[in-house]
Parts: sequence; structure tokens; C-alpha cells
Amino acid sequence: GIQVEQSPPDLILQEGANSTLRCNFSDSVNNLQWFHQNPWGQLINLFYIPSGTKQNGRLSATTVATERYSLLYISSSQTTDSGVYFCAVPPYGGSQGNLIFGKGTKLSVKP
Amino acid sequence: DGGITQSPKYLFRKEGQNVTLSCEQNLNHDAMYWYRQDPGQGLRLIYYSQIVNDFQKGDIAEGYSVSREKKESFPLTVTSAQKNPTAFYLCASSPTTGGLYYNEQFFGPGTRLTVL
Repeated sequence: GIQVEQSPPDLILQEGANSTLRCNFSDSVNNLQWFHQNPWGQLINLFYIPSGTKQNGRLSATTVATERYSLLYISSSQTTDSGVYFCAVPPYGGSQGNLIFGKGTKLSVKP
Repeated sequence: DGGITQSPKYLFRKEGQNVTLSCEQNLNHDAMYWYRQDPGQGLRLIYYSQIVNDFQKGDIAEGYSVSREKKESFPLTVTSAQKNPTAFYLCASSPTTGGLYYNEQFFGPGTRLTVL
């Protein structure tokens, strides 16, 4: 089945710094989601992005489907950005509807 | 407010007991899913349902059971056959799926299950 790898596994930033998180996937996909899991465990939808670039405030994401990767950019990081960031893709062309998750990038933003 | 609710938030179970986790959505979504998350790991699929009265096993279905009698509800039962049930359980839903189409998934707040 499709493999999803995220890097780096851990990231520590000073407040105000910028960062780039990467998601590689082993097969063609017709969509991709980025999530932020907050300290209470809630998964918050960040982006739903099959290709191209999207921006939402200080966050933006780019997916290059032909090269099988996606990037999540966080600018001017804040302590509230701390948590785990997951990317997830649907397997087998998406017909089942479920998602395959990477292991996540744990981000800690220090004041 | 539209959304997905899960209850209880925390659940403690003695070994040998079955427990049922609730998941309800008022988003009018056709598809619903159950995932399990272990510490430091991503989510893994337990069961999913694309339509009422129909559901399929995911990657780790052994020791779990589900039902889908109503569009809004997709309860998960963790049976005594599940050898390591302590985990964080997340329910999700999405608009209709099937064929080659994939729609954005939305998640509930989760239930933390601990086996004593």
C-alpha cells in the first residue's frame, strides 16, 4: 500500500521563526490533507490540497503531485502553533474514502 | 453548530469488558470512519461506512465491531477480543465518497480509552 513519510519528526522553534514541514508519498494520489493535532488531541483541518498552493493566514501549503510531495509552511510561528502536524492521503485512488496518515511532525514553539 | 461529537471523552475499562464509543454527526455526511491513534503514531483505520446499513473493515478491525443504523451515528464497540485496546479513538466523517472521488474528512474530539 501507499507509504506516507513526514520530516522532520521533531522541530523546535523560537517564537517568530519560520519553518517548512515535508510530506512524501510513495504513489499517485488524487488528494491530500494537512492537519494540526492540538495538545488535547483534536485534529484541526488545515488544508485540502491535491495540487498547487493554498494560503490561510500565516500558513500555506504546496503539493506537487507529479513529484509525490507536499510542503507546509508556517511563518512567524506562535506558541499556539505547537502540536503535531499530520499529512494524510487517500489510498487506491480514493475509492475507499479513508486516509493513510504519516507519523507526523511534532512542533514545539518556545516563547 | 454543525459538527462531530464523541462521547465519552475519557473511558476506563476493566479487562474482559466490552465498551461502546459514541460518534454522532449533524453535517449530513454519508461516510463515517473510526481511527485509532497510539502514542507517537499516526492514525490507523478500524472501520468505515459509506452508507447506512453498510460498513467495511479497515486495517486493524480485529477485536472491534460497528453498526450504522442511522446516517448520523456510527458507534464503535471495543470487545474483550481486542488485545491492546488502550488508545485514543477518533471518529471522522466526509461527504459522499465512492468511485474515484475523495472528499475532505472532518474529525471529532476523540475518546481516550484506558484498560485497567
